[in-house]
Amino acid sequence: GIQVEQSPPDLILQEGANSTLRCNFSDSVNNLQWFHQNPWGQLINLFYIPSGTKQNGRLSATTVATERYSLLYISSSQTTDSGVYFCAVGYNQGGKLIFGQGTELSVKP
Amino acid sequence: DVKVTQSSRYLVKRTGEKVFLECVQDMDHENMFWYRQDPGLGLRLIYFSYDVKMKEKGDIPEGYSVSREKKERFSLILESASTNQTSMYLCASSFFAGGQDGELFFGEGSRLTVL
Repeated sequence: GIQVEQSPPDLILQEGANSTLRCNFSDSVNNLQWFHQNPWGQLINLFYIPSGTKQNGRLSATTVATERYSLLYISSSQTTDSGVYFCAVGYNQGGKLIFGQGTELSVKP
Repeated sequence: DVKVTQSSRYLVKRTGEKVFLECVQDMDHENMFWYRQDPGLGLRLIYFSYDVKMKEKGDIPEGYSVSREKKERFSLILESASTNQTSMYLCASSFFAGGQDGELFFGEGSRLTVL
């Protein structure tokens, strides 16, 4: 099956700093999504991005499908950005997604 | 807004009890999923369904069953709960259109403790 690796596993930032999270995957995909899990456990969909670049406020994501990686950029980080960021990928399997292990982000005031 | 509602946020059950976790989505999504999340193990897929009365095993189906009698509702059943099923259970749904699966939306989760 498809393997998904996220890096770094942990990240500590000072408020206002920028960061880049990476997701590598081992096979062709047609479905790639980024999620944020807040400290209360709720998973929020950030981006649906099987290819190309998208931006939403301070967050943006880029997927280079031919090279099998995706990047999530967080600019001017805020304490509310803290939590775990997951990348998940899939390929025509009834919506089934394989999740990476996540990057745990802590933003300090 | 898409809403995925899980019936209980917190449950405490005894070993051997039958447990039902209910999930309802309000966006007419074709696909529905049950994941469990454990520290150090990430999110693991238990079962999923891409249509009414259809079900597919995920990566860890042992000890679980599911039911999808209506499009909006997907139930996870623990026939005889065991302590190793203590976990956070997450329901999710997504649409399928034009040969492509869409964004995945999660419920708030159900934290189950089996004593």
